[in-house]
Amino acid sequence: DAGITQSPRHKVTETGTPVTLRCHQTENHRYMYWYRQDPGHGLRLIHYSYGVKDTDKGEVSDGYSVSRSKTEDFLLTLESATSSQTSVYFCAITTATYEQYFGPGTRLTVT
Amino acid sequence: QKEVEQDPGPLSVPEGAIVSLNCTYSNSAFQYFMWYRQYSRKGPELLMYTYSSGNKEDGRFTAQVDKSSKYISLFIRDSQPSDSATYLCAMSAFPREYGNKLVFGAGTILRVKS
Repeated sequence: DAGITQSPRHKVTETGTPVTLRCHQTENHRYMYWYRQDPGHGLRLIHYSYGVKDTDKGEVSDGYSVSRSKTEDFLLTLESATSSQTSVYFCAITTATYEQYFGPGTRLTVT
Repeated sequence: QKEVEQDPGPLSVPEGAIVSLNCTYSNSAFQYFMWYRQYSRKGPELLMYTYSSGNKEDGRFTAQVDKSSKYISLFIRDSQPSDSATYLCAMSAFPREYGNKLVFGAGTILRVKS
């Protein structure tokens, strides 16, 4: 599992509330990613990080922000959750040989 | 047109059959090709990883890349009910320069009947 954990694993929240999802890795990989997975759309990249405090936008970054203050943690924040952000969120890392591994996922429901 | 096309299935086969899963792509810059297996309510699991053209075999699984046709395949021999899952192809170009951002196919649902 490449030492990736995500928390929380499940969350139900109301529209308009802020939400933060956490990804934690134990192997000091430089690159970390946040994806969302939705039926009919597959996996889409939200944001990624290439080092501490170094982040960049992905394909579907609107409404999301990220932070990486330590190598091992990558946080995804929904500033004001909307129903369209109901999804399954996956964190991933890339190894030095460009293999990408995924965490177990966080199932988020915005009511 | 999507950059990576993958038939969503579902593909239903009897136990013991040879399964062929395929993806086509349009970006000739793609060099790294991956197949992931995803069980229901789980994260994608890296199954096969190949660079450029050619074949790679791992147990019952064989990955093929044909860059001239922009076509990749995953073959599963002697399929088992435990192979029932969604299979995702993914690919990247110049991973060092572009942060190894992957482009995914939509996934093919495979059901192996016992």
